[in-house]
Parts: sequence; C-alpha cells; structure tokens
Amino acid sequence: SSELTQDPAVSVALGQTVRITCQGDSLRSYYASWYQQKPGQAPVLVIYGKNNRPSGIPDRFSGSSSGNTASLTITGAQAEDEADYYCNSRDSSGNHLEVFGTGTKVTVL
Amino acid sequence: EVQLVQSGAEVKKPGESLKISCKGSGYSFTSYWIGWVRQMPGKGLEWMGIIYPGDSDTRYSPSFQGQVTISADKSISTAYLQWSSLKASDTAMYYCVRRTSEGYSYGPVSYMDVWGKGTTVTVSS
Repeated sequence: SSELTQDPAVSVALGQTVRITCQGDSLRSYYASWYQQKPGQAPVLVIYGKNNRPSGIPDRFSGSSSGNTASLTITGAQAEDEADYYCNSRDSSGNHLEVFGTGTKVTVL
Repeated sequence: EVQLVQSGAEVKKPGESLKISCKGSGYSFTSYWIGWVRQMPGKGLEWMGIIYPGDSDTRYSPSFQGQVTISADKSISTAYLQWSSLKASDTAMYYCVRRTSEGYSYGPVSYMDVWGKGTTVTVSS
C-alpha cells in the first residue's frame, strides 16, 4: 500500500508564512487533501483538489502539487492555526482505499 | 445540516466483542462512501476501510483486513465498525468520515468532507 511522508514538526512566527509538504508515489496519480486537527477535536478538511477550500476555511490556506509532492501553505499564520496537519490521498492500488500522511505539528511562535 | 453522529464511548475488557455506530443525516446516505479512521493515543490518523451503503461494497486497508468488520444498514442510515475479540492495542479514537468524489476539468478529486466527533474505545483488563 501507499505511504505519505510529512515532516514531524514546523514552527512559524505569527503573521509569517509556513509551507507543509507531503511526499508519496500516490500523489503522482491523485490529488491530496489536507486536514487540520486541534487537540481533543476531530480533524477538519482545509484543502482539497488542486487548491479548493471548503466554506468557512480562511483564504490564508492554500494548496499546490508537483510530481510526488503536495504542499499546504499558510500565508500570514495566526495563533489559531497551531494544530496538527495531515495530508491524504487515494491509495495507489485504486481500490477505493485511502492513505494518510504521518502528520505535521505546526507551532505558531 | 449534514452530519455523522457516532455512538458513545466504550470501555471493554480484552476478548470482548464490540460494535460502534455512525448515523448519517442531512444527505443521501446511500450515495456516498463512509470510511473509518483510527487514531491511537498521541498518534496520527490511520485509514481502516470504507463501505458504500448503497450496495454494501466494502474495502479494507491491509493492516485492518481480518481484524475488524465494517457494515451498514441503509434503512436507518447507519454504518458500523465491529470487533469480535478486542485487544488492548485496539484502544483508540475511531472516526467515521464521509468521502465525497467530484470531477473537475483537471481530473477526479475525492476528499473526506464530513467527520463524526469520534468514539473512544478503551480496552483494559
């Protein structure tokens, strides 16, 4: 089955920009989606497809993709963006299975 | 409002069986795949498997094949995750999710747009 690799942790100064990456072979065939999870809460979808945001997600969140790497960028990070972020894509098997990334803890300084 | 409502927290002993539920509302339950996601304490998200309630087509991640059973009752818009013999290592939070698939000019896209609040399962002697 597929694997998606993320950096374990990144930090960003308040108001600055941070990019979180996700690498895996399945990303050559499928778009990633991104989820934000705060402590004690269920994950929330923040980006899907090429660069789509669900209703209610601030436009400081954006997504991009190239080759086997997908990226989530937070432009002008806010204190409330401190959370764990997970990427996700369909599994390379194409068998309706999915795979999650290893997760990135974002700390806003 | 589109939502997935999960059953309450469970405390079980090793070897016991368990079935947790996820009830969908506010949308056509038979038209979307429902997945299950495990999160062990302090760990990341793990994809367990998925079911299409319309015809009960079910797929399992290799890591969970044979360890759990996913089912659905479309008459009551409810999906289930069950264990026949729990282990301490099954202690985790379990989320059900709705998967939406769409076609864009640049290709197909799928994503988990609705999440249940999670069911905590604790297995301890």
